[in-house]
Amino acid sequence: DSGVTQTPKHLITATGQRVTLRCSPRSGDLSVYWYQQSLDQGLQFLIQYYNGEERAKGNILERFSAQQFPDLHSELNLSSLELGDSALYFCASSVKMNTEAFFGQGTRLTVV
Amino acid sequence: DAKTTQPPSMDCAEGRAANLPCNHSTISGNEYVYWYRQIHSQGPQYIIHGLKNNETNEMASLIITEDRKSSTLILPHATLRDTAVYYCIVRPINTNAGKSTFGDGTTLTVKP
Repeated sequence: DSGVTQTPKHLITATGQRVTLRCSPRSGDLSVYWYQQSLDQGLQFLIQYYNGEERAKGNILERFSAQQFPDLHSELNLSSLELGDSALYFCASSVKMNTEAFFGQGTRLTVV
Repeated sequence: DAKTTQPPSMDCAEGRAANLPCNHSTISGNEYVYWYRQIHSQGPQYIIHGLKNNETNEMASLIITEDRKSSTLILPHATLRDTAVYYCIVRPINTNAGKSTFGDGTTLTVKP
């Protein structure tokens, strides 16, 4: 158990819908990262927050957004969902930006 | 980040040592070698990291060659639960931990 909690574990929704994925980082970790892992693209970095502020962006679509709240938990919002958005979404956290990251167990999103 | 090269797959007998190689011939002086693994559809798990000295923890040992152009992750007594994809990542110490580039990794299969 990495100490990073993601909810829900599974999510099935229809195209065009909007969903919110939640991540609680390890106690004391200030940095949160979001990754997408689909079958054909491997693990792709999406976005990072540090102590409430966005610090880095990767291959995140404009339909996707995220935020980190004062209690340090983070949410990833996915809107106008398409079939291709079906994937595993992982959250990771680290104490500082340059220390090793610990991953949650992921949310499996299926868009039908 | 420096590019890494890993064999796509390896087998290991249960109870034997698993030696996973990684080539990082373009590594810079300030770049660390990190190893993560991902057991099927679970979140990636941090294993170990090092700069130039060999490192050991409760999970594994990391052997880095003197010229730092390659390294080997050693699982001393592999079990069936060690079957996973192993990722070797190289990145500078003062960079964003969560933006690590996960390549294709090595799929290690531990056989009875």
